Amino acid sequence: KNQVEQSPQSLIILEGKNCTLQCNYTVSPFSNLRWYKQDTGRGPVSLTIMTFSENTKSNGRYTATLDADTKQSSLHITASQLSDSASYICVVRSNAGGTSYGKLTFGQGTILTVHP
Amino acid sequence: GAGVSQSPSNKVTEKGKDVELRCDPISGHTALYWYRQSLGQGLEFLIYFQGNSAPDKSGLPSDRFSAERTGGSVSTLTIQRTQQEDSAVYLCASSLGPGGTYEQYFGPGTRLTVT
Repeated sequence: KNQVEQSPQSLIILEGKNCTLQCNYTVSPFSNLRWYKQDTGRGPVSLTIMTFSENTKSNGRYTATLDADTKQSSLHITASQLSDSASYICVVRSNAGGTSYGKLTFGQGTILTVHP
Repeated sequence: GAGVSQSPSNKVTEKGKDVELRCDPISGHTALYWYRQSLGQGLEFLIYFQGNSAPDKSGLPSDRFSAERTGGSVSTLTIQRTQQEDSAVYLCASSLGPGGTYEQYFGPGTRLTVT
């Protein structure tokens, strides 16, 4: 069964500090992995997308890594801001089952709270 | 261009009643998805539309759930005889195409509460 597990479940940090969120997956065959940010009461918004051949990708203060061998990804947030407080969701796409669209498997998310 | 919109934003209904949730995708997006997000749970896939047809309905939890899409645009998700376990946030997403690296753009969701 395809699964995506994220850790920690929740995290509290002080403004200006860095943090790293983890994602382990068992989705196969792997197509790509996205990290989404979901603010309270809003839909998820994509931060980064990584394909099999990519190891690192940055988007401003967000840097995602992917190790396709160990099926692990991380999202590193640098110099956190209050607006970073949100749920961060790891989503893995597979192409299993002959579907052309590729099903998504969602992690439960890590709730990040940034305090002043 | 406007993003994905959903209505209503909140819906409270009594157990046993039927509800309809609406999704307006981004103009030109051919693929449309419905998801359910229960408290403390990850997003759960419900159904996928390509145009007006639904190649994948495998996520619909029971025959009380149905969805349709007309004109390749607006979609409605209908839940008949609602149960308390149907309480969740229902998210709609659309994308330019169905596969590859096409990003799914999400709406703000409809929070459904069944009392």
